Amino acid sequence: DVKVTQSSRYLVKRTGEKVFLECVQDMDHENMFWYRQDPGLGLRLIYFSYDVKMKEKGDIPEGYSVSREKKERFSLILESASTNQTSMYLCASSSEGDTQYFGPGTRLTVL
Amino acid sequence: EDKVVQSPLSLVVHEGDTVTLNCSYEVTNFRSLLWYKQEKKAPTFLFMLTSSGIEKKSGRLSSILDKKELFSILNITATQTGDSAVYLCAVGEQAGTALIFGKGTTLSVSS
Repeated sequence: DVKVTQSSRYLVKRTGEKVFLECVQDMDHENMFWYRQDPGLGLRLIYFSYDVKMKEKGDIPEGYSVSREKKERFSLILESASTNQTSMYLCASSSEGDTQYFGPGTRLTVL
Repeated sequence: EDKVVQSPLSLVVHEGDTVTLNCSYEVTNFRSLLWYKQEKKAPTFLFMLTSSGIEKKSGRLSSILDKKELFSILNITATQTGDSAVYLCAVGEQAGTALIFGKGTTLSVSS
C-alpha cells in the first residue's frame, strides 16, 4: 500500500512565523504535490515537483516555497505566515500515472 | 474560469436512495478523469477513467465517462450513511503532471 505521511495533523502558528510542513512518501514516486483546501474553493495546487530538486508553481504559489532534496520528501515552507494561510494542507504523490495518493492533511491555524 | 465543474455542490438524500453526481470538464488535451471520496481526512481514490463508454464499478459505486460531451457521472446505489462525504472529480491533461480538481460535491445520507 502506498503511504504518504505528513509531519503534523494540527498546527497553530503566529503571524510572521516561518512554518515548515513536511511530507514523506514510501513508494518511490517521482511526483509530489502540495494543495490547500478551503471551504467553497476546493483543492488548489500550490506547488508540485516531478523530480528531486525540481519544482513547478501551481495555481497559488504566492507566499509559499518548497524544497525537494530527497525523492521521498517534499517540504512546504511558509516564509512569513499570515492569517489568510489558515487552511487544510494536503500532500500527494504519484508515479507515472495520474492516480495521486494523499496524506492525512495538516490543519494549520495562523493567529 | 473553472475547468472542472461538479454538480450539485451539495446533496441530501435518505438511506437507500440512488444518487448521481456530475462532473464536466473543459481541458485542452484530456488524458484521464479521476474520482475521489473525502471523509474527514485525506481523499481516497475511487476510479480513473480514460475511455468513453466503459463503466467502472466497485460495489455500489459506478462511473462512466463521455469524452464527446466532456463529462462523467458517479452513481451510488442503495446509499448508506457511510457514503456521506465530499466527492471530488479531477482531470489530468496530456503532457501534464498536476491534476485539475473540481470543487467537490458534498453528499449527506440520512438514516
